[in-house]
Amino acid sequence: DQQVKQNSPSLSVQEGRISILNCDYTNSMFDYFLWYKKYPAEGPTFLISISSIKDKNEDGRFTVFLNKSAKHLSLHIVPSQPGDSAVYFCAAMNRDDKIIFGKGTRLHILP
Amino acid sequence: EPEVTQTPSHQVTQMGQEVILRCVPISNHLYFYWYRQILGQKVEFLVSFYNNEISEKSEIFDDQFSVERPDGSNFTLKIRSTKLEDSAMYFCASTGQGLNGYTFGSGTRLTVV
Repeated sequence: DQQVKQNSPSLSVQEGRISILNCDYTNSMFDYFLWYKKYPAEGPTFLISISSIKDKNEDGRFTVFLNKSAKHLSLHIVPSQPGDSAVYFCAAMNRDDKIIFGKGTRLHILP
Repeated sequence: EPEVTQTPSHQVTQMGQEVILRCVPISNHLYFYWYRQILGQKVEFLVSFYNNEISEKSEIFDDQFSVERPDGSNFTLKIRSTKLEDSAMYFCASTGQGLNGYTFGSGTRLTVV
């Protein structure tokens, strides 16, 4: 059973516009959610996180929204820049500190 | 839904011992990866594997490390002589032809004592 789902394998967005990456989860016991960004031949790099007790966390151009009732979170990037082209992973953690990754969404920022 | 399976979930080993971490990638995937995360630090790329050979490796992946796909289903990471600083969570991942849709295993926590 895939506990963290990213249903869009890829997304293309015009430079300067908003990129919205979505993630759904099934386990209501997750208490921490993270977004990672990954370039080829590199490990995923931590981007932003949100605790399950919050519904929004903002850091510069990146905002993560959490809707616990829908078991859904999203990452907003605004404005999108060429360097944002990468694979983005949604991940969730439960109390034993195990990280469960989604499959990733490849974001292409178009000039 | 197909999964990447990693065993064991937790391994404790003495410094200087050899360990083999095992992964069963998704059967029709072609690209295989190992990553590690030392507690409190970032996830680091170790190695990628395609067509029965290493396609890329990081500086971390030195002569103490090796990977193998011995039987067409398992993908193993061997650490020849473990050091204390090898203690980390090791993740296996695989992708298919389009390099979309990485699937990560749930990790093996290696503790070197």
